[in-house]
Parts: sequence; C-alpha cells; structure tokens
Amino acid sequence: ETGVTQSPTHLIKTRGQQVTLRCSSQSGHNTVSWYQQALGQGPQFIFQYYREEENGRGNFPPRFSGLQFPNYSSELNVNALELDDSALYLCASSLFHGELFFGEGSRLTVL
Amino acid sequence: DAKTTQPTSMDCAEGRAANLPCNHSTISGNEYVYWYRQIHSQGPQYIIHGLKNNETNEMASLIITEDRKSSTLILPHATLRDTAVYYCIVGPQDDYKLSFGAGTTVTVRA
Repeated sequence: ETGVTQSPTHLIKTRGQQVTLRCSSQSGHNTVSWYQQALGQGPQFIFQYYREEENGRGNFPPRFSGLQFPNYSSELNVNALELDDSALYLCASSLFHGELFFGEGSRLTVL
Repeated sequence: DAKTTQPTSMDCAEGRAANLPCNHSTISGNEYVYWYRQIHSQGPQYIIHGLKNNETNEMASLIITEDRKSSTLILPHATLRDTAVYYCIVGPQDDYKLSFGAGTTVTVRA
C-alpha cells in the first residue's frame, strides 16, 4: 500500500511568482486536505477536496487554490507569492473521519 | 480560539511510560479527541482517537475523563524514537478539518 507522496520536496520562489505543489493520496482514499505549517507552529488547514470538489476551506485568501483529479491526487496552487507564504505545505489523505495520513511535505521558500 | 490546552514541553525517560495531558473543557458532545505526533522534518502521524471510552492500539492508550473535559495519552514504553511534538485535537467526526495547536514537545532521554 503506497502512502501519501508529495512533490517537490523543496523549492525556492521569488515574490510574485506562482507555485504548484502535487500530492498523490494513499490508495483508496477519496479525500485530500492541504495544510500550511510555518516554522515553529502547528499545521493550519487550507482546504479539503472530496470527489473533485472543494469541501471546506480555512482562513486563506483566494490566491490559494486547488484541484483534485479523478484518481484522487491533488494540486495546491498559490499565486502572487508573498514572503509569509514560506512554509511547509502538507497534504493528507483520508478515508475515515479524523484519521488523516500525511505526506512528508513540500518546503517552500519565498525570497 | 484554542480548544485544547497542553503543556509546552515535557521530558521522559526511555523505557518508562510517558503520560501526556490535554485539557479540553469546552468539548461538545459530538466532538472526538484526536492525538497526532510530528517527528522532526516529517508530516504528522495519526496516533489514536476516542469519544468517551478509553481506547488502546499498538501505539498508545487514550484515557478520557468521565466529564470529557480532559484526557491523557499514554505511551507505555517510551523510546528515543518517540521524541516528537504531540498534538491533542478535538473536533466532530464529520469534519475533516483538524485544528492543530502548538502541541507538547516530548523529549525522551536515555
């Protein structure tokens, strides 16, 4: 059984650029959530997708957007990057409520 | 608004039981208690969850008080690999969003 995989693991962007992060969910999991974790803080919920539809969103601006594909994999897109967007972005898949399986994350640095 | 209160940090000895407290005095009747941990540079890992009964799995035990206002996660025989940040989270079963706080940094010492 393959776990949650994310790519890329590290990337560096400059302010104003756009970034796409990718996530492959654990086999059979139909729900994907994205979290942002700033240094020294707990993860903060961005949004979740269920069967290709956004199914809940945290307190993040519209320049954070996402997609879920028929195979349940997902993308997180961030436009007009700001310095404060520097963080670890975590993807989690789930089948049962509350039991999330997280990937290792994509560490984004915005210069 | 924080729903849970945990100590900032705690140490425990290798081989001993580690008891991690969590206060959630405003928990609602339909909210579960979830525990996750995050080892340095890794994604969070699900440990256990419960509603009102005590729960046990291969990783840990969860003891919830009768009034459900607090709980304790027990790692029965802590190892150095259990050094991590432990998060106590409360939320309804039908809500995939988990609200992580700052957690407890647990350091297991040899």
